[in-house]
Amino acid sequence: SQTIHQWPATLVQPVGSPLSLECTVEGTSNPNLYWYRQAAGRGLQLLFYSVGIGQISSEVPQNLSASRPQDRQFILSSKKLLLSDSGFYLCAWEPPTSGFTDTQYFGPGTRLTVL
Amino acid sequence: GQNIDQPTEMTATEGAIVQINCTYQTSGFNGLFWYQQHAGEAPTFLSYNVLDGLEEKGRFSSFLSRSKGYSYLLLKELQMKDSASYLCAVLDSNYQLIWGAGTKLIIKP
Repeated sequence: SQTIHQWPATLVQPVGSPLSLECTVEGTSNPNLYWYRQAAGRGLQLLFYSVGIGQISSEVPQNLSASRPQDRQFILSSKKLLLSDSGFYLCAWEPPTSGFTDTQYFGPGTRLTVL
Repeated sequence: GQNIDQPTEMTATEGAIVQINCTYQTSGFNGLFWYQQHAGEAPTFLSYNVLDGLEEKGRFSSFLSRSKGYSYLLLKELQMKDSASYLCAVLDSNYQLIWGAGTKLIIKP
């Protein structure tokens, strides 16, 4: 069966510090991978998605970046965090597709607080 | 622009029935998802509709009308554990998921 992991679960960082959040998927090959952010009481905001190694699409301009160094590894990074980067970060995967998409399955999330 | 509308919050009584509505205006349509999200946790998949009509899955049912840009999630025999946020999401013509802000459902004994 497929599982998705995210770490850390909780993170408190000062403004201006770097960030690295990691997401890994097990039990599947070539998944589509997504990073979302959810502010308190708000909906999900798509940040990045990837359909393969080294292929990253960005949905919103920001000080965040993403990388996919391996097939089942997706990393969200920042060189300098802003207060507005606080939120609940969710990684999701879906089976590889041929023109249509399937259900997205979410990892447990990382709660980031920037002080 | 693309838009998904859901009520912000609803309250219902344990054992009752509740209907959570979702209306959408998107560039194309390739299906609508409902997810459940308990406080502090990740969303979990509930249902997917791409054709008009009602899909029933146990205590939960989801309805879609593509001509009206409308869906609802129906929860029967409410239990306290159903207290959660319910997220509506639409797959647009580019196969990107557009998310609603979610409806917080509060169940009272």
